[in-house]
Amino acid sequence: DIQMTQSPSTLSASVGDRVTITCRASQSITSWLAWYQQKPGKAPKLLIYKASSLEGGVPSRFSGSGSGTEFTLTISSLQPDDFAIYYCQQYNSYPWTFGQGTKVEIK
Amino acid sequence: QVQLVESGGGVVQPGRSLRLSCAASGFTFSNYAVHWVRQAPGKGLEWVTVISYDGSSKYYADSVKGRFTISRDNSKITLYLQMNSLKPEDTAVYYCVRDFRAHAMDGAFDIWGQGTMVTVSS
Repeated sequence: DIQMTQSPSTLSASVGDRVTITCRASQSITSWLAWYQQKPGKAPKLLIYKASSLEGGVPSRFSGSGSGTEFTLTISSLQPDDFAIYYCQQYNSYPWTFGQGTKVEIK
Repeated sequence: QVQLVESGGGVVQPGRSLRLSCAASGFTFSNYAVHWVRQAPGKGLEWVTVISYDGSSKYYADSVKGRFTISRDNSKITLYLQMNSLKPEDTAVYYCVRDFRAHAMDGAFDIWGQGTMVTVSS
């Protein structure tokens, strides 16, 4: 199975900050990576697919980059609505696997 | 609107069975693969199983293989998850999730249900 490792596990930031979350795969997944946002008590929401494609309706302050084994999710200017847990997920091969999550909290 | 609504969760004793359902609306259900993804309390996300748009292909996580069975009834626009021989470690919120592309099994998830809680405890 492909292991997905996110860093950091927790990130403290202020409104307006630029935030970057890293996701590493245990083997190459080319660009088959998605990012999700989850708020307490809610289902995850797809933000980014194919490493850098923005899902419809997602604000442009979210962006994704990377290929192979290293990927990043960037929030260009953190907004109050962005405090949540973020997960990366590989869909290069079965079984599809998620990172452990990165909690973005208010500093 | 495009929607998935799960039902059937509850409290069940170890070793017993439970069947979850997921009703779809707002899109052509028979065109999409559908997955179950679960989340144990306070934990991360775990992919569980998938069924292709026509029901011809199914895959399972090792943790549930041989105990869980996914199925679908496209005429009833409903997905099912039959869970047998339940274990305490199966305790989780179970989400019904649509695959991203029609007529494919990409494994990216664009539509999620609200989830149904399954608790396995004596």
